[in-house]
Amino acid sequence: DAKTTQPNSMESNEEEPVHLPCNHSTISGTDYIHWYRQLPSQGPEYVIHGLTSNVNNRMASLAIAEDRKSSTLILHRATLRDAAVYYCILRDSYNTDKLIFGTGTRLQVFP
Amino acid sequence: DGGITQSPKYLFRKEGQNVTLSCEQNLNHDAMYWYRQDPGQGLRLIYYSQIVNDFQKGDIAEGYSVSREKKESFPLTVTSAQKNPTAFYLCASATGAANYGYTFGSGTRLTVV
Repeated sequence: DAKTTQPNSMESNEEEPVHLPCNHSTISGTDYIHWYRQLPSQGPEYVIHGLTSNVNNRMASLAIAEDRKSSTLILHRATLRDAAVYYCILRDSYNTDKLIFGTGTRLQVFP
Repeated sequence: DGGITQSPKYLFRKEGQNVTLSCEQNLNHDAMYWYRQDPGQGLRLIYYSQIVNDFQKGDIAEGYSVSREKKESFPLTVTSAQKNPTAFYLCASATGAANYGYTFGSGTRLTVV
């Protein structure tokens, strides 16, 4: 299974943009990049996913490097409710059996 | 509204007892998964099932058992053979396509007393 690497923690102030990086240097051509976030004592929540092109939805944007070896989740204006652990995960379209979670990035948002 | 329901939210088990955690989904998803999460850690895969009457071991299956008799249901039994069962257990479901996300339940917190 291809692995991802994320910083353990990041901090932001409210209303500021947040860029959460993820390295996945062993990504294969069929791997989708997924992002989830988990609030304390809750199940993870799907945020966004992409394959090659940058993606936007109501929650966030996903910027994917041209070589696909890294990606960045962008929260355009952080709120206190965005404080969570963010997981970057690869999902193989030919082997969609399972998602392998790392330890993620803990985002703190200050008022 | 479609979703995935885990019950109970909190569960206490005595040493040597088996307990079963419930997971039900009405999303018509083919695949279902059980994860375990320890404090400050990521999620680890216990078991998963892609179709009814079939399931595979994940990375930490020892001491656990599952069944998949119905598409909607994927119960997890924590047996007495699991030496350190105190953890947060999460159930998820998904379609088989990699370009769709997983849907997670709200979790069951199991404590051995």
